[in-house]
Amino acid sequence: DQQVKQNSPSLSVQEGRISILNCDYTNSMFDYFLWYKKYPAEGPTFLISISSIKDKNEDGRFTVFLNKSAKHLSLHIVPSQPGDSAVYFCAASADQTGANNLFFGTGTRLTVIP
Amino acid sequence: DTEVTQTPKHLVMGMTNKKSLKCEQHMGHRAMYWYKQKAKKPPELMFVYSYEKLSINESVPSRFSPECPNSSLLNLHLHALQPEDSALYLCASSQDWAGGLTEAFFGQGTRLTVV
Repeated sequence: DQQVKQNSPSLSVQEGRISILNCDYTNSMFDYFLWYKKYPAEGPTFLISISSIKDKNEDGRFTVFLNKSAKHLSLHIVPSQPGDSAVYFCAASADQTGANNLFFGTGTRLTVIP
Repeated sequence: DTEVTQTPKHLVMGMTNKKSLKCEQHMGHRAMYWYKQKAKKPPELMFVYSYEKLSINESVPSRFSPECPNSSLLNLHLHALQPEDSALYLCASSQDWAGGLTEAFFGQGTRLTVV
């Protein structure tokens, strides 16, 4: 049972435009969310996170939005650059319960077209 | 130094071989993890070490044997693997585990092929 879902396997965006990557989750116990970026043949790299006490977290060109009632989060990249082309994984954990297992989505492949 | 270093980068082994994967970090992190990633799938947690003690074993077969010799090193000993064990094995570390898994730094992975 996939508790974290990324329903778009791929996304193509023109350079300079906004990239929006979406993620849905089913477990209401999740209270900490992360985005990872992965290039081919490399390990995932941590990008940005958000705690459930917030609805927005911004870091440079990357902003993550959390809608707890909809169990939905999104990653916005503005402006998109060709170097952003990678697979993006959404992940969630029930941090406060101490369970500490990190549940990953299946990833969205972002292609930024120059 | 914000790196997690994994060696080797690539490994091909026979089903009767014994080999080890190594992971090292010098960030003072007290939690270290092994993940397994099959093609086009998200990484799956295998083991968690916290303060050099095994905290989580996600029902991993005994042909995978983790070891944490000290707070900077994490090994994964492999013996009698099957071809379906071929995957990318990722090591990760984070500052703490008891307080929850927050940002984790991942290594580049070891691409394992079992023949």
